[in-house]
Amino acid sequence: EDKVVQSPLSLVVHEGDTVTLNCSYEVTNFRSLLWYKQEKKAPTFLFMLTSSGIEKKSGRLSSILDKKELFSILNITATQTGDSAVYLCAVRNQGGKLIFGQGTELSVKP
Amino acid sequence: EPEVTQTPSHQVTQMGQEVILRCVPISNHLYFYWYRQILGQKVEFLVSFYNNEISEKSEIFDDQFSVERPDGSNFTLKIRSTKLEDSAMYFCASSEQGAWTGELFFGEGSRLTVL
Repeated sequence: EDKVVQSPLSLVVHEGDTVTLNCSYEVTNFRSLLWYKQEKKAPTFLFMLTSSGIEKKSGRLSSILDKKELFSILNITATQTGDSAVYLCAVRNQGGKLIFGQGTELSVKP
Repeated sequence: EPEVTQTPSHQVTQMGQEVILRCVPISNHLYFYWYRQILGQKVEFLVSFYNNEISEKSEIFDDQFSVERPDGSNFTLKIRSTKLEDSAMYFCASSEQGAWTGELFFGEGSRLTVL
């Protein structure tokens, strides 16, 4: 059975800290791994990763994929209170559907 | 910026009633999806739709569920006879050509409450 596992499930940090969120997967016919940020409602897209070892970066956020070890990490540097959200990792299979992890709830305290 | 829009944002219904959730995907997208998220649980795939037919569906998507693209712009999810356990946030999503390339964009969701 396909599965995506995220860790930690929740995390509390202070502004300015750096955090690393983990995502491991076992999915047949892997095509890509996507990270989303979910604040109140819809998941909003952050990154899509398809190749191992190539870092994707957007401002203070970055992510990398290891297709040999079947995991990805999402880094957030210099965290701000606005980064507080649930971060979702999802793996896309050949048919196009996303298999989601349970999410990591990040809380950034001032 | 183009976006996926969903209506209604919240619907309350009695058990056994039919509900239709509506979605307008991004206009040049060809792949459409419904996902749901029960409160406190992970986002779950329901169904994917391409070229006017279902591409893939999950075990959750039983005979009580159906999808339709009636007019080339709307994409609907119908639940024929709602159950208490259908209470969830339902997300519509769409992506551009290529089932596994490109980003998947989500709508704001329709919260369904079954009493």
